[in-house]
Amino acid sequence: EAGVVQSPRYKIIEKKQPVAFWCNPISGHNTLYWYLQNLGQGPELLIRYENEEAVDDSQLPKDRFSAERLKGVDSTLKIQPAELGDSAVYLCASSLVSEAEQFFGPGTRLTVL
Amino acid sequence: AQKITQTQPGMFVQEKEAVTLDCTYDTSDQSYGLFWYKQPSSGEMIFLIYQGSYDEQNATEGRYSLNFQKARKSANLVISASQLGDSAMYFCAMREGYNTDKLIFGTGTRLQVFP
Repeated sequence: EAGVVQSPRYKIIEKKQPVAFWCNPISGHNTLYWYLQNLGQGPELLIRYENEEAVDDSQLPKDRFSAERLKGVDSTLKIQPAELGDSAVYLCASSLVSEAEQFFGPGTRLTVL
Repeated sequence: AQKITQTQPGMFVQEKEAVTLDCTYDTSDQSYGLFWYKQPSSGEMIFLIYQGSYDEQNATEGRYSLNFQKARKSANLVISASQLGDSAMYFCAMREGYNTDKLIFGTGTRLQVFP
């Protein structure tokens, strides 16, 4: 069974540019999460989806971050415009239902110059 | 206040020896879950072991066991018979209450296994 797929694995952009990350969860997993992991820290939840619905986006900086999960499968996280402080690893995870074990993808390492 | 505290930024252990990674937590909920994840250099978080707050037995999964001391609010991970492939970052995480799946992670411990 394929795991959570994320692309790209690495992204380098200049500040003020837009960037997008893509996540394909494990087949059949209804719940999808986006986490931010700063260097030397544990992951922090940005947004959680139940199917197409964003049920927890309280930690998402909505002035520059947006996310969507069309058709309740793949998801895209966007930053526009990117700032230097956005340099981090962006992890996607999925679970069969909420409260179940979360399976993580390899992450996208973003560097903003 | 930190919800999850991992006080060991780094640990070294010799191959085949056991090692304990510390984790303390802070919650006022009666129902919660505690998790340990491994993060190798490749970046993905790998689930290792889970302990529910009402579980009376300490969780075990192969070489991993969780030393759960509820009164002390600690949930230490014990890795027995360390292997070179165990070298990675290890994160303790907590999920509070019912009907939530928000995980709160600690800052992690980097484990290095040497021959």
